[in-house]
Amino acid sequence: LAKTTQPISMDSYEGQEVNITCSHNNIATNDYITWYQQFPSQGPRFIIQGYKTKVTNEVASLFIPADRKSSTLSLPRVSLSDTAVYYCLVGPSGAGSYQLTFGKGTKLSVIP
Amino acid sequence: AAGVIQSPRHLIKEKRETATLKCYPIPRHDTVYWYQQGPGQDPQFLISFYEKMQSDKGSIPDRFSAQQFSDYHSELNMSSLELGDSALYFCASSARDFPLLINEQFFGPGTRLTVL
Repeated sequence: LAKTTQPISMDSYEGQEVNITCSHNNIATNDYITWYQQFPSQGPRFIIQGYKTKVTNEVASLFIPADRKSSTLSLPRVSLSDTAVYYCLVGPSGAGSYQLTFGKGTKLSVIP
Repeated sequence: AAGVIQSPRHLIKEKRETATLKCYPIPRHDTVYWYQQGPGQDPQFLISFYEKMQSDKGSIPDRFSAQQFSDYHSELNMSSLELGDSALYFCASSARDFPLLINEQFFGPGTRLTVL
């Protein structure tokens, strides 16, 4: 499995855009990049997934450069409720579901 | 919308006792996963089941066992409990053949196990 590296923590003020970058130099051809969010004492929650270029949903955007060795999760105009740990996961695609391998996530603190 | 249900939500046990955690997946989800998250740690995969058969195994101690029943609910059985087993245990479910979101798993609220 490709190893991922993210910043341990980040601080941001309310209303700002937050970009969290994840490095995954050994990503395999059939690997997807997935981000999960976890609030304290709650289960992780799927945010977004992509393979290449840009993916956007109602919550976030995911930017993936052509070499796919990194990815950036972008959260527009964060609020206090976005304070959480954000995990970048890299894993295989294909028919079926796979175990999630969580590395060290990024603890985002949103400041009023 | 229906979510993953876990019971009990909190459990306190003594060392060397046994514990059983239950998980009820989202209706029509056929795959169940168990994760353990120790204090200040990241979630670690324990074991998963697809259509009542074990499909993947992670860092699950030999003292633990799990199974998935005909109604797709799953139970995690833990014996000879140790202090280090104190953690949040999450169950997640997914629909294996869902074509697009390969890595989307839906997590339950977790069971907080405290071993004294």
